[in-house]
Amino acid sequence: GENVEQHPSTLSVQEGDSAVIKCTYSDSASNYFPWYKQELGKRPQLIIDIRSNVGEKKDQRIAVTLNKTAKHFSLHITETQPEDSAVYFCAAPLGGYQKVTFGTGTKLQVIP
Amino acid sequence: DTEVTQTPKHLVMGMTNKKSLKCEQHMGHRAMYWYKQKAKKPPELMFVYSYEKLSINESVPSRFSPECPNSSLLNLHLHALQPEDSALYLCASSHGWGMNTEAFFGQGTRLTVV
Repeated sequence: GENVEQHPSTLSVQEGDSAVIKCTYSDSASNYFPWYKQELGKRPQLIIDIRSNVGEKKDQRIAVTLNKTAKHFSLHITETQPEDSAVYFCAAPLGGYQKVTFGTGTKLQVIP
Repeated sequence: DTEVTQTPKHLVMGMTNKKSLKCEQHMGHRAMYWYKQKAKKPPELMFVYSYEKLSINESVPSRFSPECPNSSLLNLHLHALQPEDSALYLCASSHGWGMNTEAFFGQGTRLTVV
C-alpha cells in the first residue's frame, strides 16, 4: 500500500554537528513534502516544506532535498543546538492531495 | 492570528459517555482535519473537510462523528468509545485545497477512555 518510510527512528548528535533524516514515499503523484517538528507534549509545527518542481530548499540551518525520480527526500539540520531536540516527521500526500500521510518519526537528541 | 484552538485540552470519559471535541480557526482556511496520535506514533488522518463538506473519511468507526458547522469550526462527536481510542486528537487547518500549503495544528485534546 501507500506509505512513507522514515529513517532513522532515533538520532543522537553532538551540539554543532549536522543531522540528516531521510524519507521515501510510494506515490509518484505526490507533489508536496512538508517536515514537522513535534516537541514533547506539543503540537506538530511545520519547519520547512518543498514542492515537486524544486530540488532543494534552504531556510537558515535547515534544508530539504528532493529526488523525485528515486522518490525520496531528506531533512538536513546544520550546526545543531539543544533546542533542535524533538521528534521530526516527514509527510507526503498519498492517494490524493488531501491524504497527507506522516512518516514514522525520528527522535533527534542534540547532546550539549 | 495563526492559531488553531482546541477544547478541551484534556478529557476523561467512560465508555457509555457522549462528548464532543471542538476546534476553531480564524485564518480563513477552508480545509480542516482531524488526526489521531497515539504515544510515540505519527499522527493518523481521520477526516478531512473542504469548504465545510466532508471530503475524506479514512474508514473511521462510526463512534467518531465529525461535524463542520461553519468555515471556522470543526467538531468531533464521541460516543461509546473504547479504551483503545485513548489518544491525542489533533485538529489542523490549511488554506485552499488540501494540505499542499502549510497546515497549522491545534494543541490537541488528550483523551482518556476509562
